[in-house]
Amino acid sequence: NAGVTQTPKFRVLKTGQSMTLLCAQDMNHEYMYWYRQDPGMGLRLIHYSVGEGTTAKGEVPDGYNVSRLKKQNFLLGLESAAPSQTSVYFCASSPHPIQGGLDTQYFGPGTRLTVL
Amino acid sequence: DAKTTQPTSMDCAEGRAANLPCNHSTISGNEYVYWYRQIHSQGPQYIIHGLKNNETNEMASLIITEDRKSSTLILPHATLRDTAVYYCIVRVLNTGGFKTIFGAGTRLFVKA
Repeated sequence: NAGVTQTPKFRVLKTGQSMTLLCAQDMNHEYMYWYRQDPGMGLRLIHYSVGEGTTAKGEVPDGYNVSRLKKQNFLLGLESAAPSQTSVYFCASSPHPIQGGLDTQYFGPGTRLTVL
Repeated sequence: DAKTTQPTSMDCAEGRAANLPCNHSTISGNEYVYWYRQIHSQGPQYIIHGLKNNETNEMASLIITEDRKSSTLILPHATLRDTAVYYCIVRVLNTGGFKTIFGAGTRLFVKA
């Protein structure tokens, strides 16, 4: 089991460029999430998904779009990157309560994004 | 979900117990207390959670006061690898992790 993986690990963009961050999990989890973390702050939820084909907005969704076409993948897109989106991005997944087990989130290693 | 208050930072000597407090005075009856930690540059890691009773697992113990307005995470024998930011979170169980709100946490420094 690889758990939760994120691609890429690092990226530098220029203002206005677009990119997609990929999150993949091999634990058959229903729920997936994208967070951003800025210095001195906790994690803030950008978007989340409660199942394949569904997405919803979190605390800070503006400037981001997401898609969950396959259960194991959750993509985060930046259509026109801005310096304010410089951050570390974490993906996470968790099982549906019906699946049993601990109601906890499993996090990926993060993607460091810099927008110049 | 209830808000939590934690100290900004704490020190602990290696081999000693680390006791990390958390206040959650507005917690409601169906909200659980969760603890995660984040070691530098890594994603957060689940530690433990509980409702009313004290809990223990291979990583830590969780002590919840009788009125449930505060709790303490105990790392019984802290090691240098336990240096991390520790997050105390309260939320309703089984509503999905999307209701998990991570605050600033407590930065624990374990010193040799």
